[in-house]
Amino acid sequence: EVQLVQSGAEVKKPGESLKISCQGSGYTFTNYWIGWLRQMPGKGLEWMGIIYPGNSNTKYSPSFQGQVTISADKSINTAYLQWGSLEASDTAVYYCARLITSLNWFDPWGQGTLVTVSS
Amino acid sequence: EIVLTQSPDFQSVTPKEKVTITCRASQSIGYSLHWYQQKPDQSPKLLIKYASQSFSEVPSRFSGSGSGTDFTLTINSLEAEDAATYYCHQSSSLPHTFGQGTKLEIK
Repeated sequence: EVQLVQSGAEVKKPGESLKISCQGSGYTFTNYWIGWLRQMPGKGLEWMGIIYPGNSNTKYSPSFQGQVTISADKSINTAYLQWGSLEASDTAVYYCARLITSLNWFDPWGQGTLVTVSS
Repeated sequence: EIVLTQSPDFQSVTPKEKVTITCRASQSIGYSLHWYQQKPDQSPKLLIKYASQSFSEVPSRFSGSGSGTDFTLTINSLEAEDAATYYCHQSSSLPHTFGQGTKLEIK
């Protein structure tokens, strides 16, 4: 079974750093893209960026470029989403999801990671 | 960046009713339009890929159509379990974008 398992919920203070993860299983991790998506409380889905773990080719949405870092460690089938300095507005559920190519649909999705940033 | 606009934003419907949700793109995206269902506190699930191709194990009452800039998701004979928010997603060009979502409430 193809599966993406994300790291657990996080509670952080403004200014802190954070790295959340997404581990793939049941398929060849290096042959598919992984995307990261944001869902702010009560809001819709936003495409943040994607990475191809085979060569770490990464593409960002202009809205998120410079705000987050997407990376991957193919030796442990894991993709990451990282912040250097969190803001309260980063409070959201973050999903990872798989794509066959950079211009395809997302399936499957991870279970989501809730990030709460509050002083 | 391509903007996707869904309508309606919200619809209250009765079981067995037929529902139509539309998604309009700000420029032509061919058939690169996909539909997802998200139930409360769950991850989105793919329903339709490439405008009209049903994804595996999706009930046959869900169907999609359209091309270019205008797309439709149709749910025939709505069931109570279809209460959810539905999103369209374009993958024609980077960055991908999503519609704002359509929330279906079952009366």
